[in-house]
Amino acid sequence: EVQLVESGGGLVQPGRSLRLSCAASGFTFDDYAMHWVRQAPGKGLEWVSGISWNSGSTGYADSVKGRFTISRDNAKNSLYLQMNSLRAEDTALYYCAKDIGFLESSVFDYWGQGTLVTVSS
Amino acid sequence: SSELTQDPAVSVALGQTVRITCQGDSLRSYYASWYQQKPGQAPVLVIYGKNNRPSGIPDRFSGSSSGNTASLTITGAQAEDEADYYCNSRDSSGNHHYVFGTGTKVTVL
Repeated sequence: EVQLVESGGGLVQPGRSLRLSCAASGFTFDDYAMHWVRQAPGKGLEWVSGISWNSGSTGYADSVKGRFTISRDNAKNSLYLQMNSLRAEDTALYYCAKDIGFLESSVFDYWGQGTLVTVSS
Repeated sequence: SSELTQDPAVSVALGQTVRITCQGDSLRSYYASWYQQKPGQAPVLVIYGKNNRPSGIPDRFSGSSSGNTASLTITGAQAEDEADYYCNSRDSSGNHHYVFGTGTKVTVL
């Protein structure tokens, strides 16, 4: 059974940093691209970042480019999102999602339950 | 970056058919995938590619595309299909960017 478990969310002040983690199990992690998707309270889904199976390719939404960094550790079956210079508008539930292929695509076939990030003073 | 536009809400009588549309320039080049999200739950993939359903998704869900519009059709809607539905596609800019639609709330009457 595929499982994606996010952690690392919490309350953080504007301008500070936070690192999210996603622990994957139930599939061969290094065979698939991975993504982070967020959802602000009461709002729609927003793609944040994606990374290919071997970290050779990464992509970022314009709203987070230069502030967020996606990475993965295939030996630990884990995905990460380093979030710097956080803003109030980054407040959201952050989902980890598995891609259907080894390169990034728009097909996310499994999702975690999310970790909540609240940016507020 | 591209935008994907969806109708905010649609309603359908129990057992009837409803079509949800997603419009955007990127859909002329890339297929949309579709996600169902129920309150308090993570999204679930229901349709991807030309018209593919993941294992466990009922065959009353189907997808199609024409020009700049992708569609998700629920044929014989059930009460459990009441949810928010989002389309997703690759950004047409050519970068490794992806964009979700604005979402459609489906109410089953």
